[in-house]
Amino acid sequence: EAGVAQSPRYKIIEKRQSVAFWCNPISGHATLYWYQQILGQGPKLLIQFQNNGVVDDSQLPKDRFSAERLKGVDSTLKIQPAKLEDSAVYLCATQPPGYEQYFGPGTRLTVT
Amino acid sequence: AQTVTQSQPEMSVQEAETVTLSCTYDTSENNYYLFWYKQPPSRQMILVIRQEAYKQQNATENRFSVNFQKAAKSFSLKISDSQLGDTAMYFCALVNSGNTPLVFGKGTRLSVIA
Repeated sequence: EAGVAQSPRYKIIEKRQSVAFWCNPISGHATLYWYQQILGQGPKLLIQFQNNGVVDDSQLPKDRFSAERLKGVDSTLKIQPAKLEDSAVYLCATQPPGYEQYFGPGTRLTVT
Repeated sequence: AQTVTQSQPEMSVQEAETVTLSCTYDTSENNYYLFWYKQPPSRQMILVIRQEAYKQQNATENRFSVNFQKAAKSFSLKISDSQLGDTAMYFCALVNSGNTPLVFGKGTRLSVIA
């Protein structure tokens, strides 16, 4: 079974630029999460999707972050404009019915 | 709100020795799940072991075992016969029910020394 795919693996941008990350879930996993992991900390939820609907985006800085999950499969996370404090690893995780989550390899974003 | 606390930012252990990583948590729910994840430099989050709160028996997976103390809200990870490949960040995480987000601790950086 293929795992969760994420791209790109690395991205370096200047502040105020925009960036997009992509996540392809494991086939059949209806629930998808985006987590932000700042260096030295554990991952924190940004947004949760159930199929193509948003379940929880209370921690998403909506003035600069946006996310979508068209057709309930792939998802994209966008930052516009980026700030220095957005430098982090962005992890996508997907979940079948139940409680176990499967993580992608993450995207390391550096904002200079 | 749920919280997870890992009080050991860094630990080291000699190869083949045993090490225990600590985790405490807080939740108002009675049914929940606890996890230990390993994150090597590749950043891939790898599930090491899971524990269902309704199960009294401590979970074990090969060299990894947990000491789950529900009343004390404690969930420690014991790694036996430590190997160089165990070097990584280890995160303790909690989820209250299915299809809800994980709550992570800040992690413990484990170094296994040859």
